[in-house]
Amino acid sequence: DTGVSQNPRHKITKRGQNVTFRCDPISEHNRLYWYRQTLGQGPEFLTYFQNEAQLEKSRLLSDRFSAERPKGSFSTLEIQRTEQGDSAMYLCASSLHRDRGGTGELFFGEGSRLTVL
Amino acid sequence: QKEVEQDPGPLSVPEGAIVSLNCTYSNSAFQYFMWYRQYSRKGPELLMYTYSSGNKEDGRFTAQVDKSSKYISLFIRDSQPSDSATYLCAMSVYNFNKFYFGSGTKLNVKP
Repeated sequence: DTGVSQNPRHKITKRGQNVTFRCDPISEHNRLYWYRQTLGQGPEFLTYFQNEAQLEKSRLLSDRFSAERPKGSFSTLEIQRTEQGDSAMYLCASSLHRDRGGTGELFFGEGSRLTVL
Repeated sequence: QKEVEQDPGPLSVPEGAIVSLNCTYSNSAFQYFMWYRQYSRKGPELLMYTYSSGNKEDGRFTAQVDKSSKYISLFIRDSQPSDSATYLCAMSVYNFNKFYFGSGTKLNVKP
């Protein structure tokens, strides 16, 4: 297994369009997280899944944002009606929680960079 | 007040220097502490992971946690130009439901 995979790596879109990002976590990891990072800032929590259940969502995740993790495998993050303020790096991370014998630390993908014109 | 505070730098040092990077935090419930390295336009890469207070060493890297002062540090010995990156601290409470990150310190190691 080569780690967390994210696609596409870079997406340029016009304001008002919908975009979708995909994340494939490390295969045995049961938790999957989405973070957003803007220039000069640390990653900000958006949401996380344990298996297929979405357990927590940040207030940053407006109703234009939706995330899914069908069957507890890959995850998608969709942004509807994009705005220029959505331009950022969207990071996916996965972890093996302690309840599965892991130590809980996050392993990140390379990120999906969104530019909204 | 942010949950995690980190000096953004930039920090510029000569090759071979000892580098000290630091974060402070406000939530006494944090128990797990991590340091990540992030190269430009790349995802963060886990460097060090510690639980509760104490020191942990891995090669040229040493992580320290002082929970009484709510202060964590990362030391890099014999710094190399390849260490030039942004260093992020991160921390979590016991159930790992979310991780809180500092804003990152940009390090430049000059040959």
